[in-house]
Amino acid sequence: TQLLEQSPQFLSIQEGENLTVYCNSSSVFSSLQWYRQEPGEGPVLLVTVVTGGEVKKLKRLTFQFGDARKDSSLHITAAQPGDTGLYLCAGTYKYIFGTGTRLKVLA
Amino acid sequence: NAGVTQTPKFRVLKTGQSMTLLCAQDMNHEYMYWYRQDPGMGLRLIHYSVGEGTTAKGEVPDGYNVSRLKKQNFLLGLESAAPSQTSVYFCASSYAAPNTEAFFGQGTRLTVV
Repeated sequence: TQLLEQSPQFLSIQEGENLTVYCNSSSVFSSLQWYRQEPGEGPVLLVTVVTGGEVKKLKRLTFQFGDARKDSSLHITAAQPGDTGLYLCAGTYKYIFGTGTRLKVLA
Repeated sequence: NAGVTQTPKFRVLKTGQSMTLLCAQDMNHEYMYWYRQDPGMGLRLIHYSVGEGTTAKGEVPDGYNVSRLKKQNFLLGLESAAPSQTSVYFCASSYAAPNTEAFFGQGTRLTVV
């Protein structure tokens, strides 16, 4: 049983569409991180959210940490083919990772 | 910059064989981790270490052992490989936890037949 559940598990969208990925847990985390992994590579950090309710933006990506620090979301505006990859959330206590969301953006 | 280096990159084992995966980092990080990644399962933590000479169990430690004799190296051992251990294994390191970035190696693809 994984502590962090992500939804959806798979997502295939057209270029230019918006999307949201969710990361949920029954546990409280002091902080959460989001990583992106491309085929044949290890995950690479996108952002760390620390404060409940915090919102961080990274170009077209918006990350939010839930008020109760049990959940987080990743919103991508106007998705591009370069956004294709596996998106993983991680609780920074023991670096437990979520189940992952595999995103494919079609040109 | 080397970062985190895993060896080997690929390996095929027969059931019952043993092997050791090596992870080396050159960033002077205190924390090191071993994960396995299976289709649809994200990353699952096998064992981790918070410093030289220390190790601790993660989510899925059974069938694996680890050692951290030197700060820069973290070894993952399989004493008697089983087909269920077929997976991609990732090593990671971080300066400390929480809130710091974890840096990953490129993975070891292990097949047990």
